[in-house]
Amino acid sequence: AQTVTQSQPEMSVQEAETVTLSCTYDTSESDYYLFWYKQPPSRQMILVIRQEAYKQQNATENRFSVNFQKAAKSFSLKISDSQLGDAAMYFCAYRSARNYGGSQGNLIFGKGTKLSVKP
Amino acid sequence: SAVISQKPSRDICQRGTSLTIQCQVDSQVTMMFWYRQQPGQSLTLIATANQGSEATYESGFVIDKFPISRPNLTFSTLTVSNMSPEDSSIYLCSVGFGGELFFGEGSRLTVL
Repeated sequence: AQTVTQSQPEMSVQEAETVTLSCTYDTSESDYYLFWYKQPPSRQMILVIRQEAYKQQNATENRFSVNFQKAAKSFSLKISDSQLGDAAMYFCAYRSARNYGGSQGNLIFGKGTKLSVKP
Repeated sequence: SAVISQKPSRDICQRGTSLTIQCQVDSQVTMMFWYRQQPGQSLTLIATANQGSEATYESGFVIDKFPISRPNLTFSTLTVSNMSPEDSSIYLCSVGFGGELFFGEGSRLTVL
């Protein structure tokens, strides 16, 4: 079974600085997707960034980028130029690329990292 | 993208009662997913709902406790039956669309 581990329950960053959130995962599959979701106090889960395992190039979305190390099964999120609005829970998630019928699309989540941004 | 609306946004319920949560999507989707997020915890999949067939439940979740309906390709309901304080959670509806998963805003249930 696949697992996702986020070893940092809480992180803090100064506004305008850079912070990296860690995520490791375990799987025997070779084809899968990895995601970072943001959940602000409003509860809405917002997709931050997505990485396909077959792509060697690290995904980037504006101030958000990942360091995807497939052999090490590591998928960290870097937030540059942190803003107050980045404060939220961040969840790392895994999804198999295989179609298991009813299980297709199921995300396996880590426990989350609470990010605080200091002004 | 997909826009997902959930009702109710929050509710306070009495022990032993049941509550039905509705999930409406603005696009037709094959599968809808129901997640539970207990206080301070991550998200756990309850079940996958396909239109026109029985929902598929994950280990630890049963149909008698969490009956699900999926009458068409844009709508689903999750009922939390015979509630106890341990059912106090956020329940989220999710759909896969265009290779991504989108989430509703969640329904926060508090059981007294």
